[in-house]
Amino acid sequence: DQQVKQNSPSLSVQEGRISILNCDYTNSMFDYFLWYKKYPAEGPTFLISISSIKDKNEDGRFTVFLNKSAKHLSLHIVPSQPGDSAVYFCAAISGNTPLVFGKGTRLSVIA
Amino acid sequence: DVKVTQSSRYLVKRTGEKVFLECVQDMDHENMFWYRQDPGLGLRLIYFSYDVKMKEKGDIPEGYSVSREKKERFSLILESASTNQTSMYLCASSLGGAYNSPLHFGNGTRLTVT
Repeated sequence: DQQVKQNSPSLSVQEGRISILNCDYTNSMFDYFLWYKKYPAEGPTFLISISSIKDKNEDGRFTVFLNKSAKHLSLHIVPSQPGDSAVYFCAAISGNTPLVFGKGTRLSVIA
Repeated sequence: DVKVTQSSRYLVKRTGEKVFLECVQDMDHENMFWYRQDPGLGLRLIYFSYDVKMKEKGDIPEGYSVSREKKERFSLILESASTNQTSMYLCASSLGGAYNSPLHFGNGTRLTVT
């Protein structure tokens, strides 16, 4: 059973517009959420995170929103740039168990 | 800056061979992990270790084993390689003590089993 779901396998956005990547989770014990970005032929790199006690965390062009009641989080990228084209993984964790990853969303930013 | 180094970027092995994938990290991290990435399946955890000589099964341990004799090194072993183990293998490490410490990944080993 998939505990972290990214229901959109791919997303295309024009340069300069907003990219919104969505993630849903089923395990109410998750209390910390992370986003990773992955370019081809490289390992994933940590992008931004949020604790369950917050509903928003911002870092430059990247903002993550958490809606605990809906068990939903989203990553907003504003403005989107061609260099943002990558696969984005949502991940969640609780206690001392390893991260659980979603299947990823491939973002293409078109110039 | 944390560096996680995987010994090979590309490997081609034959069915039935014993395969060793090596991973070394240079930041004294307690935690180390092995994932595989497949199209449409995301990142799936094979094995992990929170300390030297310690290992725990992840979600898909069948056909794999691991070894952690030193803190900085975590090896993944395919006892008898099969074609369904053709995949991208990713090693990661993180600080112990803080369960939400971000993972730092290596660049991956693309393994092809023929």
